[in-house]
Amino acid sequence: GAGVSQTPSNKVTEKGKYVELRCDPISGHTALYWYRQSLGQGPEFLIYFQGTGAADDSGLPNDRFFAVRPEGSVSTLKIQRTERGDSAVYLCASSSTGEAGELFFGEGSRLTVL
Amino acid sequence: AQSVTQLDSQVPVFEEAPVELRCNYSSSVSVYLFWYVQYPNQGLQLLLKYLSGSTLVKGINGFEAEFNKSQTSFHLRKPSVHISDTAEYFCAVTTNAGKSTFGDGTTLTVKP
Repeated sequence: GAGVSQTPSNKVTEKGKYVELRCDPISGHTALYWYRQSLGQGPEFLIYFQGTGAADDSGLPNDRFFAVRPEGSVSTLKIQRTERGDSAVYLCASSSTGEAGELFFGEGSRLTVL
Repeated sequence: AQSVTQLDSQVPVFEEAPVELRCNYSSSVSVYLFWYVQYPNQGLQLLLKYLSGSTLVKGINGFEAEFNKSQTSFHLRKPSVHISDTAEYFCAVTTNAGKSTFGDGTTLTVKP
């Protein structure tokens, strides 16, 4: 498809389990972003990739969160030892340049930790 | 660091009435300003943006916003709303470094 694709759209897991969330950006977009959105709040920045490298990972809340983008296209957000507080919608966005450019968002992956 | 405050969490309005959604920001560096809209069960999409030049910017669906540097505001307006404008609206600021900071959103509900 032409837009940003995120899978799974919904994920229910148990506390302590490992989770992977995938993002397939718009073809040719060099910048990729992960955000987290809790109920009643705006998107909260997690990490930003320019190409294969993480240009800014200052938003990752702790070392249980990790993200990769090995070939500069698809990205995976990995969450270890999930906690109930990790429950949120995880949003991926891509941009053609990464510099004050428009963000194109996917529909998000809703994570529920029981 | 940057921060964004959307002054109204919910705005109810009748169809064909004008509406203003307020956004204030703070930043120690120059920023670019955006409004995004999220319709029910859809992803966020760009409504309009201010990068430079004229402080009045026009976006999709008849929306416009005015950048006011002295008041650090970027309020969103529409002279006559439709039922289909019912959605969540997010104001965001972005620096040259690429990271965007979002407000907590304003829910616009247009009633018949």
